[in-house]
Amino acid sequence: DVKVTQSSRYLVKRTGEKVFLECVQDMDHENMFWYRQDPGLGLRLIYFSYDVKMKEKGDIPEGYSVSREKKERFSLILESASTNQTSMYLCASSLRGSRDTEAFFGQGTRLTVV
Amino acid sequence: KQEVTQIPAALSVPEGENLVLNCSFTDSAIYNLQWFRQDPGKGLTSLLLIQSSQREQTSGRLNASLDKSSGRSTLYIAASQPGDSATYLCAVGPFGGGATNKLIFGTGTLLAVQP
Repeated sequence: DVKVTQSSRYLVKRTGEKVFLECVQDMDHENMFWYRQDPGLGLRLIYFSYDVKMKEKGDIPEGYSVSREKKERFSLILESASTNQTSMYLCASSLRGSRDTEAFFGQGTRLTVV
Repeated sequence: KQEVTQIPAALSVPEGENLVLNCSFTDSAIYNLQWFRQDPGKGLTSLLLIQSSQREQTSGRLNASLDKSSGRSTLYIAASQPGDSATYLCAVGPFGGGATNKLIFGTGTLLAVQP
């Protein structure tokens, strides 16, 4: 059974803290993604990575950074958390370069910044 | 810029009814289209993927169709059950972005199946 695992289901952090969200996949996928999901706005792409140490900005990268040191792990970093980063964060992975590649998602991390 | 729209935003049906969820997209140059299910507070579960060259895909009681020329996809759910209650999202993979397949999502349809 394919699996994308996010390190936490729920997190509560204080404004200004540095926050790490971790995602691990066991499918040997090249592509990994971080989305945030907000009511009325849907899923928006923050960053993605198509290979180890490679990253590209998505639609809303401001206030975030990422790290991909190993193929199976993709980390999202909030350098200085702010209340407007309270959201549901979703990690996904997929194979590269195939029309029949499906994206698989983790269970999500509900982050609250107070 | 590709935009994905799902109508209606919410739908309530009695158990046993057949139903159709709609997804439309503005740019017909897509790589593929994927339908997902999301339960409250959870991640997304992949239901069906349709490649751009395909017209439909079926899995159990689910059937998804794709009409690229008109920019539309439908998800047909037969004999709905209370367990089908969830938010259903469609997402398109834009042509030219196939290697990374960065999906663009609609905002979803919240389905409630009443027992």
